Amino acid sequence: GAVVSQHPSWVICKSGTSVKIECRSLDFQATTMFWYRQFPKQSLMLMATSNEGSKATYEQGVEKDKFLINHASLTLSTLTVTSAHPEDSSFYICSARATGPHTEAFFGQGTRLTVV
Amino acid sequence: DAKTTQPTSMDCAEGRAANLPCNHSTISGNEYVYWYRQIHSQGPQYIIHGLKNNETNEMASLIITEDRKSSTLILPHATLRDTAVYYCIVRVAGKLSFGAGTTVTVRA
Repeated sequence: GAVVSQHPSWVICKSGTSVKIECRSLDFQATTMFWYRQFPKQSLMLMATSNEGSKATYEQGVEKDKFLINHASLTLSTLTVTSAHPEDSSFYICSARATGPHTEAFFGQGTRLTVV
Repeated sequence: DAKTTQPTSMDCAEGRAANLPCNHSTISGNEYVYWYRQIHSQGPQYIIHGLKNNETNEMASLIITEDRKSSTLILPHATLRDTAVYYCIVRVAGKLSFGAGTTVTVRA
């Protein structure tokens, strides 16, 4: 399958600082990228959907000013967690999908964020 | 909201086929069924997807009932590395919404 790479794999930051997570599609052009969050022993929760060159669409209850998403190219999307707090500590996962209504989405390996 | 229901967990023996059921009784005519799995602390891995015909690839087979209200994922020869949470998902409006999935434990 296609490769989606996330960076970093894990990060520890101080409360109040911002953290940027990158998601890259390595061997295909991703017109749509998705960001998920997963808390321990829970399933993945979709946070937002981004299409290249457009503003992201956020799911209900997700603060767009806190979780800034940029999808400036067909191979890169970034998620910035602004003014992070301990409750933002979670496993963040991106996925990317190429053009087409029935194409599958491929997932990155995830980023473990710990806010101290 | 997930449109699928799956058993919470199941065990299977190494080397045997693992049959994972999924109910999606409210699926619409043009919605696909996708299967992913997640091994602990990793991102989900794509397995297979289908609309109404049975599908097979190098990882698994997907059997979809004629009325499309349920499907079964078949891992033909389960190995210990197949231990994971398996998610059956109906993609709606281009988005994959994950339910709780089935925790599959393959035992030697």
